[in-house]
Amino acid sequence: NAGVTQTPKFRILKIGQSMTLQCTQDMNHNYMYWYRQDPGMGLKLIYYSVGAGITDKGEVPNGYNVSRSTTEDFPLRLELAAPSQTSVYFCASSFRGGGNTEAFFGQGTRLTVV
Amino acid sequence: AQTVTQSQPEMSVQEAETVTLSCTYDTSESDYYLFWYKQPPSRQMILVIRQEAYKQQNATENRFSVNFQKAAKSFSLKISDSQLGDAAMYFCAYSERDFGNEKLTFGTGTRLTIIP
Repeated sequence: NAGVTQTPKFRILKIGQSMTLQCTQDMNHNYMYWYRQDPGMGLKLIYYSVGAGITDKGEVPNGYNVSRSTTEDFPLRLELAAPSQTSVYFCASSFRGGGNTEAFFGQGTRLTVV
Repeated sequence: AQTVTQSQPEMSVQEAETVTLSCTYDTSESDYYLFWYKQPPSRQMILVIRQEAYKQQNATENRFSVNFQKAAKSFSLKISDSQLGDAAMYFCAYSERDFGNEKLTFGTGTRLTIIP
């Protein structure tokens, strides 16, 4: 099982550039999440989705957009990269929401904006 | 808003000894979930243990156990017989049960070092 796959693993962006972080899961999970992890901090929720066609904002959504056209994929879009978006980004999925079932995480994308 | 606090940025323990990591949280809900996740240097987040708030019995998973004190809003993780592979960042996390509020809220983490 591949689980949750994120691409790319590393990326350097210039200020003002845009990019899409890809996330796909092969476990037929309904729920998917995007988190960011800043140095010395825990993970903060950016956006989440409870199923295809449904997305909602998390704690820190500004500067990001998401879409969920299929159950498997949940890409995260950065439109105008800023240094404040330098972070490690994690995608996660679970069969049901919250603690009902285990959340599985990808291995993260380290993004640097210069 | 719910908050999760881990007051120990770093901890260390001798191999084969026992260590306890602390976590407190704040919520007005009566039913929720609490978790401990492990993040080794590989960055992969791994679920260590889960506790359901309505269950009074403390969860255990092999060498890992929790001390859940609901009234005190405390959720500590005990690692027995510490092994070198236990070295990692450990994050405490909270989630509500209600549909539409299923978001994991994380603490800032505790870095655990195992001394051979």
